[in-house]
Amino acid sequence: AQKVTQAQTEISVVEKEDVTLDCVYETRDTTYYLFWYKQPPSGELVFLIRRNSFDEQNEISGRYSWNFQKSTSSFNFTITASQVVDSAVYFCALSESGGGADGLTFGKGTHLIIQP
Amino acid sequence: DVKVTQSSRYLVKRTGEKVFLECVQDMDHENMFWYRQDPGLGLRLIYFSYDVKMKEKGDIPEGYSVSREKKERFSLILESASTNQTSMYLCASSFLAGGNTDTQYFGPGTRLTVL
Repeated sequence: AQKVTQAQTEISVVEKEDVTLDCVYETRDTTYYLFWYKQPPSGELVFLIRRNSFDEQNEISGRYSWNFQKSTSSFNFTITASQVVDSAVYFCALSESGGGADGLTFGKGTHLIIQP
Repeated sequence: DVKVTQSSRYLVKRTGEKVFLECVQDMDHENMFWYRQDPGLGLRLIYFSYDVKMKEKGDIPEGYSVSREKKERFSLILESASTNQTSMYLCASSFLAGGNTDTQYFGPGTRLTVL
């Protein structure tokens, strides 16, 4: 069975600090997909990134970066120079390739608080 | 831009009522999903559908049913609402990407309270 663990329930940092959100996953499949979503106070989940299991390249998008390491089954998310607008709940999610519709298995989320 | 809309942001119902939550997407996606989100539990999959009139159970289907009569619309039905179904309900949709898993896009959520 697949599982996603986000061990950090809540993180609080001061604005401009760097912060890393951890995500560890479990799956028996060799082909799978990993996602990060952001949920601001408004409630809507916003898609951030999708990565398949064959692509271990790290990705950077502005202040956001992702570190995918199959050896440790981790897909960590770093925000550089954090801003108050980054305050949200962040979810890591996993999907195994099923040849069709595939529900996501979510972690329990990390509540990130950026203090001014 | 992908647009997934849900019929209500907030809903209050009484125990035993039949409740319909509606979701509409405008991107011609084949797949549609219903999740519920509870504090400390994250999101859990209730049901999903990969085509009109097709449905599959997710991880927690008990107490729910779904209907997909048109490609763009996916309804979640609580046949007899109970207090333990008080939750945030999120709808999502995605393309059927031929053996791959495409990105799911979410609606704004419906916060349901059952009294």
